[in-house]
Amino acid sequence: QSVLTQPSSVSGAPGQRVTISCTGSSSNIGAGYDVHWYQFPPGRPPKLLIYGNDNRPSGVPDRFSGSKSGTSASLAITGLQAEDEADYYCQSYDSTLTESTYVFGTGTKVTVL
Amino acid sequence: EVELVESGGGLVQPGESLRLSCVASGLTFSSYAMRWVRQTPEKGLEWVSGINARGNSSQYTDSVKGRFTVSRDNSKNTLFLQMNSLRVEDTAVYYCANQKTYYDVLTGSYKGSPFYFIDVWGKGTTVTVS
Repeated sequence: QSVLTQPSSVSGAPGQRVTISCTGSSSNIGAGYDVHWYQFPPGRPPKLLIYGNDNRPSGVPDRFSGSKSGTSASLAITGLQAEDEADYYCQSYDSTLTESTYVFGTGTKVTVL
Repeated sequence: EVELVESGGGLVQPGESLRLSCVASGLTFSSYAMRWVRQTPEKGLEWVSGINARGNSSQYTDSVKGRFTVSRDNSKNTLFLQMNSLRVEDTAVYYCANQKTYYDVLTGSYKGSPFYFIDVWGKGTTVTVS
């Protein structure tokens, strides 16, 4: 049901860079709505990583960065660490003629090799 | 430390009711709009409901309209979700979350509701309808 598509999994060795894509359409990301990113670590509450496409809240390491272009967005993790192993979700807003609502991505599991 | 703690989940039969609660600490609860978001393996994450800071305006996703009611007690820093006529498809982990906006330096104003994001999440409470 998710209208934002993410790869189901990405993996990388410690220290490497991985990117997670979030592909939407003209009714959400392409319409100019922001993309936000959340980390769902196992056994802990989800955490905000990026808001407003490329803004990092205080306390989030600068290893995490976000970008947006056209109908897609990306989350990059550089210097991958074991603690980064988690599920990651993008979120935006979708507005059509019949409904407007907040929408989430399909989720990506990041594995640190 | 900011914390949201949900409770009230459980196992119920179709047609029954549950009331979820979410107690907030470490933040000025009455200043924040709040949301309920649910997660299932099949459908992923889904925004369920939202309520403004004062509690006089609420919104729902279509699938729960008329069955779920969101409310809040700012004097007790608590958010509620009354769930009636529960269906098998309501089975999910339910998260309580606050809602936040940010200042856009380009426009010189705070972003409107389509641009809101979640600043803090709870750990979730599991609702099983079977």
